[in-house]
Amino acid sequence: EIVLTQSPGTLSLSPGERATLSCRASQSVSSSYLAWYQRKPGQATRLLIYGASNRATGIPDRFSGSGSGTDFTLTISRLEPEDFAVYYCHQYGSSPPTFGGGTKVEIK
Amino acid sequence: EVQLLESGGGLVQPGGSLRLSCAASGFTFSSYAMSWVRQAPGKGLEWVSTISSGGNTYYADSVKGRFTISRDNSKNTLYVQMSSLRAEDTAVYYCAKRGDPPARPGSYYFDYWGQGTLVTVSS
Repeated sequence: EIVLTQSPGTLSLSPGERATLSCRASQSVSSSYLAWYQRKPGQATRLLIYGASNRATGIPDRFSGSGSGTDFTLTISRLEPEDFAVYYCHQYGSSPPTFGGGTKVEIK
Repeated sequence: EVQLLESGGGLVQPGGSLRLSCAASGFTFSSYAMSWVRQAPGKGLEWVSTISSGGNTYYADSVKGRFTISRDNSKNTLYVQMSSLRAEDTAVYYCAKRGDPPARPGSYYFDYWGQGTLVTVSS
């Protein structure tokens, strides 16, 4: 199975700063079938990005996804207070689908 | 508005059984593949099982032969019957809807998730 490694484990930033989250796959992700999700305490998990770079419906354009093959990135251009959360990547191009361990974006 | 509401979690002894339900609303349930994903305490997310709109089922190796996913389109409800439960099955279980637009058949991302139900397997 494809192992996804997210880094860093925790990112300490201030509102307005840029956040760059990495997701590295142990094998190439087929068709760039990689998604990013956001989770906040007490809330349902929210889809941000699918197909490596496509924003989901209603997702602000400060969120962007990029990458292919084994290296993928989620960028939040300017952090808003509501963006402090845990982010997960997910590959769905190969069976079984797998998830990264998550990156926590916390307020510095 | 899409809503997914899981229920049925609780404390069960090792070797026991439990059935989880996920009530769906706000979309045409019968048209979408649905999945279960779990997260054990302090661990990452783990895909458990998927059922396609046509009823094809897929399982993680860790639950194959012990869990059975099913759906009742007349009730807009997804189920997972869990048997021979082990301590390592302890987790919050989430149901999730196949994302739109769809990827190729058999490849699913998730555009809506429920808030989860906790299953604890312990004596």
